[in-house]
Amino acid sequence: DAGVTQSPTHLIKTRGQHVTLRCSPISGHKSVSWYQQVLGQGPQFIFQYYEKEERGRGNFPDRFSARQFPNYSSELNVNALLLGDSALYLCASSSRGDTQYFGPGTRLTVL
Amino acid sequence: QQQVKQSPQSLIVQKGGISIINCAYENTAFDYFPWYQQFPGKGPALLIAIRPDVSEKKEGRFTISFNKSAKQFSLHIMDSQPGDSATYFCAASMGSNDYKLSFGAGTTVTVRA
Repeated sequence: DAGVTQSPTHLIKTRGQHVTLRCSPISGHKSVSWYQQVLGQGPQFIFQYYEKEERGRGNFPDRFSARQFPNYSSELNVNALLLGDSALYLCASSSRGDTQYFGPGTRLTVL
Repeated sequence: QQQVKQSPQSLIVQKGGISIINCAYENTAFDYFPWYQQFPGKGPALLIAIRPDVSEKKEGRFTISFNKSAKQFSLHIMDSQPGDSATYFCAASMGSNDYKLSFGAGTTVTVRA
């Protein structure tokens, strides 16, 4: 069975640009969460969606938004990129929410 | 404000030795405690998880010990192998009410052959 997939693998943007990251959960999983992992730190929670509804939001500015589609895939959008947004963005999939399985991540570099 | 504190930041162990990583939490509403293993450039992989109704859980060479009264839990890696060299993260969530995972800062384990 395929695990969590994320695209793209790597991305380079400049300050002020917008970026869209995509995630496909494990088949049958209805919950998707997004995390930001800065180099050398643990992942920080950004959003969780379950059955296409936002269930939780972390302490991130409104420049960050997300949505979940009817097929349970999800996308994370970040507007007005800052240098500090450079990180590994992780998507996690779960069937009900507690046991979360992470994808390989998207490495975003903001120049 | 980090809700889960993890130590040590790094450790070096000889092949065949035991690696021990400790975590502490404050929020008594946490009821699910997973450990993740992460290799450079990869996403975290779920290793083992425990709930507060048990004090120990073992899967192969990996054991979680849980002390509810002390609000601490630890990961023991027995018979450490060079392939275990990775960064390990403890995490916690409030389960059915809030699935957000709060992660520790991570421990980089190096196993010397």
